[in-house]
Amino acid sequence: QFALTQPASVSGSLGQSITISCTKTSNDVGSYDRVSWYQQHPGKAPQLMIYEGDQRPSGVSNRFSGSKSDNTASLTISGLQAEDEADYYCCSYGSSSTFWVLGGGTKLTVL
Amino acid sequence: EVQLVESGGGLVQPGGSLRLSCAASGFTFNRYAMNWVRQAPGKGLEWLSYISSTNDIYYVDSVKGRFTISRDNAKSSVYLQMNSLREDDTAVYYCARDDKWAFDVWGQGTRVTVSS
Repeated sequence: QFALTQPASVSGSLGQSITISCTKTSNDVGSYDRVSWYQQHPGKAPQLMIYEGDQRPSGVSNRFSGSKSDNTASLTISGLQAEDEADYYCCSYGSSSTFWVLGGGTKLTVL
Repeated sequence: EVQLVESGGGLVQPGGSLRLSCAASGFTFNRYAMNWVRQAPGKGLEWLSYISSTNDIYYVDSVKGRFTISRDNAKSSVYLQMNSLREDDTAVYYCARDDKWAFDVWGQGTRVTVSS
């Protein structure tokens, strides 16, 4: 079993870029794959922003991009806009016993 | 329009039971796996359970033995039977479609409050 660790908060100014990390913490060196990212505004249901590490669903702005290196996946938002202020969660396939693992979430503040 | 609508939430006493429903529309339900995810007040998202299109089932450890996921393809619905409810089960419960290894469609959520 493993956990996904995200920073509790990040901030950036309008027009800037930010990156949110999601680190797999485990002694298990098994694969870290099938990473997805979700945006959640207060009182709303989450929305899929990135799947399979770096794929954007139709309708999601190309300002959102995903990447992965070793045990850390990242979500980058470029050209920050006020409406990007939200909570962001990463998610990864877990194992045959616990199918999905969600990160603790990161609150993005746009200054 | 692809849509998921949860229902069945409410106030229940500790030790009680609730059955949540999630009605799907706008897509071929029997081709997709489905999940339940919850969010306690002021907390993050927590994945609870998964059911594949062929009824393979998984749970997070904290609900194993208490919660049961099921689906009825004829009714395009997925269910979560919750027994032995505890105060820390208080949360908004979401159902989510599973596609391309992600939760690509979410319902609006149904609120469950466990309190005496």
